[in-house]
Amino acid sequence: SQQGEEDPQALSIQEGENATMNCSYKTSINNLQWYRQNSGRGLVHLILIRSNEREKHSGRLRVTLDTSKKSSSLLITASRAADTASYFCATDRYNNNDMRFGAGTRLTVKP
Amino acid sequence: KAGVTQTPRYLIKTRGQQVTLSCSPISGHRSVSWYQQTPGQGLQFLFEYFSETQRNKGNFPGRFSGRQFSNSRSEMNVSTLELGDSALYLCASRPRSSSGGLQTYNEQFFGPGTRLTVL
Repeated sequence: SQQGEEDPQALSIQEGENATMNCSYKTSINNLQWYRQNSGRGLVHLILIRSNEREKHSGRLRVTLDTSKKSSSLLITASRAADTASYFCATDRYNNNDMRFGAGTRLTVKP
Repeated sequence: KAGVTQTPRYLIKTRGQQVTLSCSPISGHRSVSWYQQTPGQGLQFLFEYFSETQRNKGNFPGRFSGRQFSNSRSEMNVSTLELGDSALYLCASRPRSSSGGLQTYNEQFFGPGTRLTVL
């Protein structure tokens, strides 16, 4: 079964705008990760945030984690057409390597 | 380092047949996980192998099985195929580490997937 839920399911924005995606999960976690998937291909790791961290940056990406609310958000700033993809959050539990993925957010960035 | 490779990339089978998919992890990665991705169910965890042993298993029937070899390469087998087994099967590898007695996990590196179509 899936651990998390992403919100929104789909997001369409113009190039240059910011995109925010949210993820909620159900159980205590060791870390939370965000991945990108281009149409029917393998997943690419974007960023990992551990349960004792609250915010993390990587280039145009900013991830926040609120363990009290069991939620995370991914912000992509100054989006580009190449950012068009599906974005998934995934959680790891302690001592249990069965990473659980959310349903994903389909992001479309229009040029 | 070479990335995770999966073979074959595409496969067409008929109901009742069986299929074996192969995954070669990144050199040095001993943990290999398998996932099934379908439009309806999303990404579902199948199982994880570490040092030739299955360490975790998702909620899939016994028709889905796997194994890992001493060189960390892994195979996944699905017997008595059903139409609903049509999916993208993804393999991922990652290093494992421990801290204070607890297993800690890092990013997973995914292969391109095997697209299985069951007719």
